[in-house]
Amino acid sequence: DIVMTQSPDSLAVSLGERATINCKSSQSVLNSPNSKNYLAWYQQKPGQPPKLLIYWASTRESGVPDRFSGSGSGTDFTLTISSLQAEDVAVYYCQQYYNPPFTFGPGTKLNIK
Amino acid sequence: QVQLVESGGGVVQPGRSLRLSCAASGFSFTYYAMHWVRQAPGKGLEWVAVISHAGSNKYYGDSVKGRFTISRDNSKNTLYLQMNSLRAEDTAIYYCARMGIPSSGSYSAFDYWGQGTLVTVSS
Repeated sequence: DIVMTQSPDSLAVSLGERATINCKSSQSVLNSPNSKNYLAWYQQKPGQPPKLLIYWASTRESGVPDRFSGSGSGTDFTLTISSLQAEDVAVYYCQQYYNPPFTFGPGTKLNIK
Repeated sequence: QVQLVESGGGVVQPGRSLRLSCAASGFSFTYYAMHWVRQAPGKGLEWVAVISHAGSNKYYGDSVKGRFTISRDNSKNTLYLQMNSLRAEDTAIYYCARMGIPSSGSYSAFDYWGQGTLVTVSS
């Protein structure tokens, strides 16, 4: 099974500042034939289901603000929020969908400083 | 618009069974693989199971393998999760989620999620 880890566990950032969350997979999730990384990022606010933000490691889902961006390849990935807004307070999860079981990272809790 | 509505949760004793349903609407259910994902109270997300769009392929997480069965009825646009031999550690909100690319032989991210149904296993 592919194990997903995230850092940090929690993060406090000032409004308007940059937030960076890291995700690492225990094995590569890059599919060489199509050059796609099978890595997604989700946002979960209290009392709500997860919401897809980023897929293929760097493709923003429709309707997601452009302050959210994803990067990385192979085993190391990053979610960046370029200018933190109050509504971005949430837990963020990375997930690999390269192979079942489709494992999630443990989550990173993002708060306002 | 795409809607996924879970039902069937509740309080059940250890060792008993429960069947969850997920009613889908607003899209061609027949063409999409579907997942169950759960979240224990205050914890992270745990993937449970997936079923292909035609129902021919199924995979399970290690913690539920042999106890849970995923199925679907494409004529009713409904996904199911039969949960047997329930344990206290199965207590969680259970979400159904859609795999984003239709009729694909490959995997994709989960683009739509239901609101979830709470299962509590307790004596």
